[in-house]
Amino acid sequence: DAEITQSPRHKITETGRQVTLACHQTWNHNNMFWYRQDLGHGLRLIHYSYGVQDTNKGEVSDGYSVSRSNTEDLPLTLESAASSQTSVYFCASSESNRPYEQFFGPGTRLTVL
Amino acid sequence: DQQVKQNSPSLSVQEGRISILNCDYTNSMFDYFLWYKKYPAEGPTFLISISSIKDKNEDGRFTVFLNKSAKHLSLHIVPSQPGDSAVYFCAATANDYKLSFGAGTTVTVRA
Repeated sequence: DAEITQSPRHKITETGRQVTLACHQTWNHNNMFWYRQDLGHGLRLIHYSYGVQDTNKGEVSDGYSVSRSNTEDLPLTLESAASSQTSVYFCASSESNRPYEQFFGPGTRLTVL
Repeated sequence: DQQVKQNSPSLSVQEGRISILNCDYTNSMFDYFLWYKKYPAEGPTFLISISSIKDKNEDGRFTVFLNKSAKHLSLHIVPSQPGDSAVYFCAATANDYKLSFGAGTTVTVRA
């Protein structure tokens, strides 16, 4: 069955370290998204991609970067982790002919100490 | 500035009764609206959606109503079941595939 996976599911890191969160989907979807979920804010868009080599900034992109070298993967990198980036991170994807209905991964809980 | 607002953080309803979740938005460019459901330790799952050209969309026990003049939408769940206990997120988009989410409403269905 097609799916979207995230790894690791839990991560503890220290301030200043570089961290990469993986997202892999097997639906062959062109559109991929990264969100963070914080209490009282719902999900906020970090970065998104409409296809290979395409990346765009979302509303809370400072301190994060992504790259899209193939259809299946959109890794999220925290260049220098900060305590404010402690959050739950969700990756999502959608197909081009139903772009609004996004399928979400199970999430990665990141703690920055 | 949050463009999608869910002002009720929680809702408790008895099994078999109706659950009504509300959502308000401020961006008049939004033209497609969605509801997602989320269980603990899982990602959100798509529930139901509505285009701005409609005022109602129904799918089984779930109905979404849209009032464009009031910039308000609601989700009705009838009848509520124990498996409906979850966090519900309202989301909206302005034809650019990006979703703006509300803060969520936690629904608890009591037996």
